[in-house]
Amino acid sequence: TQLLEQSPQFLSIQEGENLTVYCNSSSVFSSLQWYRQEPGEGPVLLVTVVTGGEVKKLKRLTFQFGDARKDSSLHITAAQPGDTGLYLCAGAGGVDTGRRALTFGSGTRLQVQP
Amino acid sequence: DTEVTQTPKHLVMGMTNKKSLKCEQHMGHRAMYWYKQKAKKPPELMFVYSYEKLSINESVPSRFSPECPNSSLLNLHLHALQPEDSALYLCASSQAGSGNQPQHFGDGTRLSIL
Repeated sequence: TQLLEQSPQFLSIQEGENLTVYCNSSSVFSSLQWYRQEPGEGPVLLVTVVTGGEVKKLKRLTFQFGDARKDSSLHITAAQPGDTGLYLCAGAGGVDTGRRALTFGSGTRLQVQP
Repeated sequence: DTEVTQTPKHLVMGMTNKKSLKCEQHMGHRAMYWYKQKAKKPPELMFVYSYEKLSINESVPSRFSPECPNSSLLNLHLHALQPEDSALYLCASSQAGSGNQPQHFGDGTRLSIL
């Protein structure tokens, strides 16, 4: 059973479009991290959100942590081909799971066509 | 350039071979991780070392044997692997803690079992 479900699983859009990726769980996490992984490379941390309701911006990327700290979203404005990659959310410190390691989401593969 | 270095980048081995994957970081991190990643899937945690001691083994078969000789190095010894073990093996490091810390990933070793 995947503790963190991401949607959509795959998204192919044109350059300039906006998109939102969702990361949902029935578990509460103390924080949530978002990573991007490009082909042939390891995941790279984009952001960590810690407080329920927190919103963080990284250029054209906006990250939000749900009020109950069970879900998160990533919104990309005016997507660029360089945004192409696998986006992974990862929950840390599962409150009811007692898990002492990151729990990775199922992943969203984004392809931005020029 | 990643701050976590993994060698080799590619490895092809037979099912009877013995080989080792190596990982090195000089960020002073005291937690190090091994993940297995199949194509188009999220990373799956295999092992966690904290202060050079094994703290998590996610029920990994004994044909995978981790070793942490010092705080900068992490090895994964491989013996009698199966074709289904072909995957990208990622190493990561982080500040030690309760598993909440952001992780820094290497670019992985792509392993193929013949």
